[in-house]
Amino acid sequence: DVQMTQSPSSLSAFVGDRVTITCRASQSVNNYLNWYQQRPQKAPKLLIYATSNLQSGVPSRFSGSGSGTDFTLTINNVQPDDFATYYCQQSYISPRTFGQGTKLEMK
Amino acid sequence: EVQLVESGGGLVQPGRSLRLSCAASGFTFDDYCMHWVRQAPGKGLEWVSSITWTGHNIVYADSVKGRFTISRDNAKKSLYLQMNSLRREDTALYYCVKDMDATGIAADGYFDYWGQGTLVTVSS
Repeated sequence: DVQMTQSPSSLSAFVGDRVTITCRASQSVNNYLNWYQQRPQKAPKLLIYATSNLQSGVPSRFSGSGSGTDFTLTINNVQPDDFATYYCQQSYISPRTFGQGTKLEMK
Repeated sequence: EVQLVESGGGLVQPGRSLRLSCAASGFTFDDYCMHWVRQAPGKGLEWVSSITWTGHNIVYADSVKGRFTISRDNAKKSLYLQMNSLRREDTALYYCVKDMDATGIAADGYFDYWGQGTLVTVSS
């Protein structure tokens, strides 16, 4: 299976900050990388698919980039609703494996 | 509106069995691959098993292979997970998840809808 490694495991930010989360795959996954947001006590929600495509309804302050093995999720102007855990997932090779998560906390 | 409602979780002793169910609505169930994903308390997401739209192709995580069985009843719009020989490390919130694709192996695929989960606790 493809191993996905996220960094950092946690980070803290002020409302209004810009934050970046990285995800590295153990082998190339082309651009088939998804991001999910999980708020406390809630089910995960799809944010971005295929590296940079925002799911319907996701605010434009979220963006994704990368290719091959290295990917980033950027949140511009972090809002209170954004404090959550973020997971990357590769979909290039079955099974669709997840990263271990990055918890974004309020500073 | 897509809805996935899991049931069947609970407290079970190690070595015993449990069957989870997921009732789907708001979409054409038999058009899509379905998955079970679990999350141990305070931990990350772990994909458990997938079943294609026909039910003919099934995949399991190594951690559950030989103990868990995924199935579906398209007429009842339901997904199931039969869990046998349960271990303490199977303790988790189990999510029923819809794929955007019928086969679950489309390279540009993703999990577009999640249920709220059903909690399985394996303890003596």
